[in-house]
Amino acid sequence: EAGVAQSPRYKIIEKRQSVAFWCNPISGHATLYWYQQILGQGPKLLIQFQNNGVVDDSQLPKDRFSAERLKGVDSTLKIQPAKLEDSAVYLCASSLAEGVLYQETQYFGPGTRLLVL
Amino acid sequence: AQSVTQLGSHVSVSEGALVLLRCNYSSSVPPYLFWYVQYPNQGLQLLLKYTSAATLVKGINGFEAEFKKSETSFHLTKPSAHMSDAAEYFCAVRVTSEAAGNKLTFGGGTRVLVKP
Repeated sequence: EAGVAQSPRYKIIEKRQSVAFWCNPISGHATLYWYQQILGQGPKLLIQFQNNGVVDDSQLPKDRFSAERLKGVDSTLKIQPAKLEDSAVYLCASSLAEGVLYQETQYFGPGTRLLVL
Repeated sequence: AQSVTQLGSHVSVSEGALVLLRCNYSSSVPPYLFWYVQYPNQGLQLLLKYTSAATLVKGINGFEAEFKKSETSFHLTKPSAHMSDAAEYFCAVRVTSEAAGNKLTFGGGTRVLVKP
């Protein structure tokens, strides 16, 4: 079974530029998550999708970050314009759950490492 | 709101020695608890999870964790460290409420160094 795929793996941009990350979840997984992991910290949830609807985006900086999940499969996360403090690893995860199953395992992709200069 | 505290950002153990990683959680309702491992330049991989069944949970790669409600702890152990255990380990909590949904809250992580 293929895992969660993410691209690109690395990205270097200058501040005020825009950048987009792509995620392809495990086939059949209804729930998709984007996390931000700053160096030395644990991952922090940015946004959670259930199929193509947003379940939780309370920690997404909506003035510069946006995300979509068209057709309930692939997802893109965009930052525009980027700031220095956006330098982090952006992790995508997916889980099978339809509805709220608290013990459902989240499967993580390898992440995209972003450096903003 | 739930939170997770991992004591010690770095742990150094000798090969063959006991690995003990500490995790304490804060939650007003019964939690579900997870340990994930992250190898360099990779995503997180689930080691084990507690879902209110047995309090002693066995995971992959010889790791296990014990849920202690009275101490609000979920410490991770492995009897004998192997060089391949060098990685960063994250404890996470998910509370059982409609409001929280499926959101995981992670601790700050503990980086394990294994000395030969």
